Amino acid sequence: QKEVEQDPGPLSVPEGAIVSLNCTYSNSAFQYFMWYRQYSRKGPELLMYTYSSGNKEDGRFTAQVDKSSKYISLFIRDSQPSDSATYLCALESSGDKLTFGTGTRLAVRP
Amino acid sequence: ETGVTQSPTHLIKTRGQQVTLRCSSQSGHNTVSWYQQALGQGPQFIFQYYREEENGRGNFPPRFSGLQFPNYSSELNVNALELDDSALYLCASSRDRVVGYTFGSGTRLTVV
Repeated sequence: QKEVEQDPGPLSVPEGAIVSLNCTYSNSAFQYFMWYRQYSRKGPELLMYTYSSGNKEDGRFTAQVDKSSKYISLFIRDSQPSDSATYLCALESSGDKLTFGTGTRLAVRP
Repeated sequence: ETGVTQSPTHLIKTRGQQVTLRCSSQSGHNTVSWYQQALGQGPQFIFQYYREEENGRGNFPPRFSGLQFPNYSSELNVNALELDDSALYLCASSRDRVVGYTFGSGTRLTVV
């Protein structure tokens, strides 16, 4: 079993839709929970990170962590074609390595 | 200087050869990590350097090695290249291992 599971998609939605991206994890030692966005032929770009259970909002993006269920989510409101990318969840336990999910490919149709 | 830059952007090598990939971190970023990203997969942690010392290593063989220099640059060296080493190699940096690493655009290595 992988430490972090993420549905690879692809996920295709119309412009303006609400997008829900999810990861589950098995290691209780993870303390930091991050979402990265990766455009084709580019490196991952940090969107958001959270430390505790609950919600964190930044513009159209909301990150949600449920440590009791070992489940994290990223919601994108009013999705735009420019949001089309691969979204990677990344978890960290001790300041060294990030453990990534496989990434979910998202396509937002105009 | 801002951002993380990696060179070269693309590279083709023959099986059995050796390769050196380079990364230049943001000024003040004393932590650098290297990741391997195979096609359709998430990045896999290779190792991390903190203040020029190796600070953690993933499940990669010893033929993957690295260096970090005082000027915030670093190298990833891979010996005896195998076909499965074909991937995007990413460098990520931060200050004092603080959460929120900045990634470079990567080096696409193809082994033939």
